[in-house]
Amino acid sequence: QKEVEQNSGPLSVPEGAIASLNCTYSDRGSQSFFWYRQYSGKSPELIMSIYSNGDKEDGRFTAQLNKASQYVSLLIRDSQPSDSATYLCAVNSYNQGGKLIFGQGTELSVKP
Amino acid sequence: DGGITQSPKYLFRKEGQNVTLSCEQNLNHDAMYWYRQDPGQGLRLIYYSQIVNDFQKGDIAEGYSVSREKKESFPLTVTSAQKNPTAFYLCASSIVRGLVRNEQFFGPGTRLTVL
Repeated sequence: QKEVEQNSGPLSVPEGAIASLNCTYSDRGSQSFFWYRQYSGKSPELIMSIYSNGDKEDGRFTAQLNKASQYVSLLIRDSQPSDSATYLCAVNSYNQGGKLIFGQGTELSVKP
Repeated sequence: DGGITQSPKYLFRKEGQNVTLSCEQNLNHDAMYWYRQDPGQGLRLIYYSQIVNDFQKGDIAEGYSVSREKKESFPLTVTSAQKNPTAFYLCASSIVRGLVRNEQFFGPGTRLTVL
């Protein structure tokens, strides 16, 4: 089992729809969870961080964390073509000396 | 302008050559990291440093070396021992707040190609 798993996609949604990106992790000692957006050929950009169970909203983005199910998700409301990118889930575990473990990323395509 | 810079943007290496990738940050971050990204894959940690003059191996350190002589700088050398170095190399930095909650911020990356 991979430490951090994401569906590779591509996930295709129409413009204006809600895009739902999912991530599961294996280390129950994980404390911090991050979502990065990476445009093709560019470096990752931090867009959301979440540390406690529940939802965290920032503009059109909502991160959801469920530690019991070892599951973190990212919702993008009113998806725009400019949201088309690869989204990387990263998990920081105290048991791993604070290193970030990255998933393979989910490619999102928003169709006009 | 605060941020992380990497140079060069593109680098071409001949077989048997060592090359050094530069990473500089003016964010006053304590920790710095080097990752490698291959097409269609996530990021893999090469080396990291949480304090000047100290660094640790990541998951794929073989064939790479680093130094941390200044807080602002964390250069990565790709040696001839690295058999498959063609990849996108990313440098990141973070504040150290214990071992948790360390948001990492990335530089623009260096794309290395072996000729």
